[in-house]
Amino acid sequence: KAGVTQTPRYLIKTRGQQVTLSCSPISGHRSVSWYQQTPGQGLQFLFEYFSETQRNKGNFPGRFSGRQFSNSRSEMNVSTLELGDSALYLCASSLMWQAVQNTEAFFGQGTRLTVV
Amino acid sequence: TQLLEQSPQFLSIQEGENLTVYCNSSSVFSSLQWYRQEPGEGPVLLVTVVTGGEVKKLKRLTFQFGDARKDSSLHITAAQTGDTGLYLCAGADTGNQFYFGTGTSLTVIP
Repeated sequence: KAGVTQTPRYLIKTRGQQVTLSCSPISGHRSVSWYQQTPGQGLQFLFEYFSETQRNKGNFPGRFSGRQFSNSRSEMNVSTLELGDSALYLCASSLMWQAVQNTEAFFGQGTRLTVV
Repeated sequence: TQLLEQSPQFLSIQEGENLTVYCNSSSVFSSLQWYRQEPGEGPVLLVTVVTGGEVKKLKRLTFQFGDARKDSSLHITAAQTGDTGLYLCAGADTGNQFYFGTGTSLTVIP
């Protein structure tokens, strides 16, 4: 079966712009989680959506937002980009929400965002 | 504050050597997972442990969940260059929050 697809793979934006990243989960998976990965901070949880509802949110400013559609595809948006937003953004899909025991998360290859 | 602290942060060893990576927390976790991430890819699940004291083996990799379910270790026997990557532990605490650890970057030198 097809894996998790994230688009685009690479993105360069300037400060102050906004960006939208897309994640298509594995067919049948209802949970999509988003993470920010940087060398200094590691893998930081952004938010998790399950059946179109935000189930959980990490400690990020309101400039970071997301949504999930009825087909489980998810988008995340970052407004008013800052240099510090440069990172690899990963999404993970799973059958159930990630805190459920034995739930395996399948990750996409990520979107590499560079803010200049 | 990171809920799951991994050590060491970086590890560089010769092929054939053994190594252990640790994942520690002051919180109790209902389950704990280990992932490996290779450059340019997303993390891939290696194993899930759910019972305190549980030991699971995956070829040359041995995973252990602490008795109190607050810590875990990953032991690799006779490391190979293909083991190179970023190892991440992750877990769900008793409040149903899911966290990733700080990561251990392993380099196996031929």
